[in-house]
Amino acid sequence: AQSVTQPDIHITVSEGASLELRCNYSYGATPYLFWYVQSPGQGLQLLLKYFSGDTLVQGIKGFEAEFKRSQSSFNLRKPSVHWSDAAEYFCAVGQNTGTASKLTFGTGTRLQVTL
Amino acid sequence: GAVVSQHPSRVICKSGTSVKIECRSLDFQATTMFWYRQFPKKSLMLMATSNEGSKATYEQGVEKDKFLINHASLTLSTLTVTSAHPEDSSFYICSARDHGLASATQYFGPGTRLTVL
Repeated sequence: AQSVTQPDIHITVSEGASLELRCNYSYGATPYLFWYVQSPGQGLQLLLKYFSGDTLVQGIKGFEAEFKRSQSSFNLRKPSVHWSDAAEYFCAVGQNTGTASKLTFGTGTRLQVTL
Repeated sequence: GAVVSQHPSRVICKSGTSVKIECRSLDFQATTMFWYRQFPKKSLMLMATSNEGSKATYEQGVEKDKFLINHASLTLSTLTVTSAHPEDSSFYICSARDHGLASATQYFGPGTRLTVL
């Protein structure tokens, strides 16, 4: 069974500082990997995704993530955080079987940005 | 593109009543939609997979008679919480998978906050 671990429940960074959110996955084959962001009381917005090819993927809002197969990781990064980035971030792994493609989510990391 | 809407965004009902939540894909067709439940400060729990024109597939532990799912068209899925009780109060989120893409990408609706009194 697939699983996702986000080791950091809560992270606080200063505005303008760099950010890295960790994500480790467990899956038997090459996974589909996603990062979503959720603002309070809202749904999830897709930041970026990895299916194949270049292991460094660019997303919206200046985010990027790197797929490292050897480490089973898909960490999310941003070079300079803005106060509006404060939210909950979820990493997810999906089946690449082309069927219903269920997603398994991590427990999320809450990002707080100090001014 | 890839916009998913939910209605209502917030609903308060009395215990014992039924509540229907709609999930629509606005600019794409979705043969598959998903319904999640999210508890406060928790991750998303998949409740069921909704397939257009067929019965939904429920996750283990989810009562199919309590959470009725209908996916009558390629752009609409509904979740009906029957005989709601206070413990059903939660944030319900739907997502839709684009029919035209051979990928697993799910696009999420804004969620529905259900409060059962």
